[in-house]
Amino acid sequence: GQNIDQPTEMTATEGAIVQINCTYQTSGFNGLFWYQQHAGEAPTFLSYNVLDGLEEKGRFSSFLSRSKGYSYLLLKELQMKDSASYLCAVRDSNYQLIWGAGTKLIIKP
Amino acid sequence: NAGVTQTPKFRVLKTGQSMTLLCAQDMNHEYMYWYRQDPGMGLRLIHYSVGEGTTAKGEVPDGYNVSRLKKQNFLLGLESAAPSQTSVYFCASRQALDTGELFFGEGSRLTVL
Repeated sequence: GQNIDQPTEMTATEGAIVQINCTYQTSGFNGLFWYQQHAGEAPTFLSYNVLDGLEEKGRFSSFLSRSKGYSYLLLKELQMKDSASYLCAVRDSNYQLIWGAGTKLIIKP
Repeated sequence: NAGVTQTPKFRVLKTGQSMTLLCAQDMNHEYMYWYRQDPGMGLRLIHYSVGEGTTAKGEVPDGYNVSRLKKQNFLLGLESAAPSQTSVYFCASRQALDTGELFFGEGSRLTVL
């Protein structure tokens, strides 16, 4: 079966760094995505990885290891507005997205 | 700058009633999707469309029907609503199969009593 695992909830302090992990087992791999979803709102695109390595975009970075079926999203210099759920999704061999349940990130002052 | 628009935003139904959710996108995207989001679960694909006049089943299609008569619109219908269909429904679109970003609507919260 296809499976995406990520922690249910994490807590971090404003100004700190947090790493949200995602492991996956899917039928085929055509890229991994991270989306941010604030409570009551739609998911919005954060990052895309298809090759191994680190992709950096401002305060956010995303890492992929295809051989390990593993990715992480790194958030630096945390701000209160980063309080949200972070969704990991893998595009399978049929180009359909398989979604994790999301990680709720709580930022404390 | 509308993007993807869903209507209605909220709806309460009684078991057995029918309704239609409308999704409209103004980005000329080929691909459109209907997902449902439930607590503790990832987004699950209900139905999708790869272009005007086409529809296909996703992971959880039972109890739903869809139509894509116009490229910009994707309708999701519930013929006889059940409490198990209480959920938040998201429509999404993207231009091509191999492009990354999905653009989501704001969501429609449906409660079936």
